[in-house]
Amino acid sequence: GAVVSQHPSWVICKSGTSVKIECRSLDFQATTMFWYRQFPKQSLMLMATSNEGSKATYEQGVEKDKFLINHASLTLSTLTVTSAHPEDSSFYICSSSGRANSYEQYFGPGTRLTVT
Amino acid sequence: TQLLEQSPQFLSIQEGENLTVYCNSSSVFSSLQWYRQEPGEGPVLLVTVVTGGEVKKLKRLTFQFGDARKDSSLHITAAQPGDTGLYLCAGDRDDKIIFGKGTRLHILP
Repeated sequence: GAVVSQHPSWVICKSGTSVKIECRSLDFQATTMFWYRQFPKQSLMLMATSNEGSKATYEQGVEKDKFLINHASLTLSTLTVTSAHPEDSSFYICSSSGRANSYEQYFGPGTRLTVT
Repeated sequence: TQLLEQSPQFLSIQEGENLTVYCNSSSVFSSLQWYRQEPGEGPVLLVTVVTGGEVKKLKRLTFQFGDARKDSSLHITAAQPGDTGLYLCAGDRDDKIIFGKGTRLHILP
């Protein structure tokens, strides 16, 4: 399966600041990557689909101006949480689709964001 | 409305016991995937089932896709503490991946 990395693995920031999370597909070119958030002891919530070279597709209820997604290359997608608030504290996970089967997803290890 | 219902939500059993968790829907899926997620990590793909009635085995784990491709089950034989985690099923429908809410499994040593 594909190898996906995320950076940083955890970050603490102050309320009002912005935080950028990187997601890299290490062993193949991913035209599509996905961003999820996960609250403690809950399932994954899809935030947006990141498409290389075009605008991201956001799920209903996700503010696109707050969660900026950039997929500038086939191996890198970034999620920037702008003007972070404590309620944005969560576990953010990215994934890329598998090479052989687009419905299989390979997840990064996640980024734990804490906003103080 | 949750398209993929997973049950039970929580399960805590003793090491060595067998268990089955379920992933049900009223909709037909092109395929279903099972993932396991450990605390503080991303989910890891366990298996994909595509054909109605298909059975796949992964060591002590047996996955089955319903004949009508609307549901799936995961059976674990002789559970071990290392099986502890959140088990998620996901389905592919209309080019969209849909996740269930997961079954949180805890195996007591």
